[in-house]
Amino acid sequence: KNQVEQSPQSLIILEGKNCTLQCNYTVSPFSNLRWYKQDTGRGPVSLTIMTFSENTKSNGRYTATLDADTKQSSLHITASQLSDSASYICVVTTFDRGSTLGRLYFGRGTQLTVWP
Amino acid sequence: EPEVTQTPSHQVTQMGQEVILRCVPISNHLYFYWYRQILGQKVEFLVSFYNNEISEKSEIFDDQFSVERPDGSNFTLKIRSTKLEDSAMYFCASRSGTDSSYEQYFGPGTRLTVT
Repeated sequence: KNQVEQSPQSLIILEGKNCTLQCNYTVSPFSNLRWYKQDTGRGPVSLTIMTFSENTKSNGRYTATLDADTKQSSLHITASQLSDSASYICVVTTFDRGSTLGRLYFGRGTQLTVWP
Repeated sequence: EPEVTQTPSHQVTQMGQEVILRCVPISNHLYFYWYRQILGQKVEFLVSFYNNEISEKSEIFDDQFSVERPDGSNFTLKIRSTKLEDSAMYFCASRSGTDSSYEQYFGPGTRLTVT
């Protein structure tokens, strides 16, 4: 069964600190993995995307890693800011046989709260 | 910067009523999607749409749901007879036909409350 699991479920850190969020997936066949940031009441916004051959991808203070062998990914946030408070969602894309549109499987997200 | 828009932002309806959620995808995008997110749960795929027809639908997307692209800009999700369990955030997304990353761009969502 195609699933995406994230940990921790929630996390509180102080402004300026770093943190790492985890994602494990069983989605197959694998096309790509994205990390999204979702502010409360808003739609998800893509932070990074990685394909099978990529091990790491950075976007400013966000660095994502991917281990396709163990089917694990992480999102590292450095020097956190108050505006980083949001839900961070791991999303894996698969292309089912015969499908050209792709199907996205979402994790439940990690709710990050940054305190001043 | 182009973005996906959705209306209304919040819809309250009584059980058994029909609702239509509207989306304006990014211009020139060819692939369209609806997702829902029940409060506190993960985002779930509902349906994908391409070339004026449904390409894929999930088990959630039963006969009570339908989608339409009535003109060149709007993409709608209709729920014929709403149930309490349809209460959720509904997100529309669109994707271009030329982006090799297959990135989907999400709208801000419509919060549907069924009473």
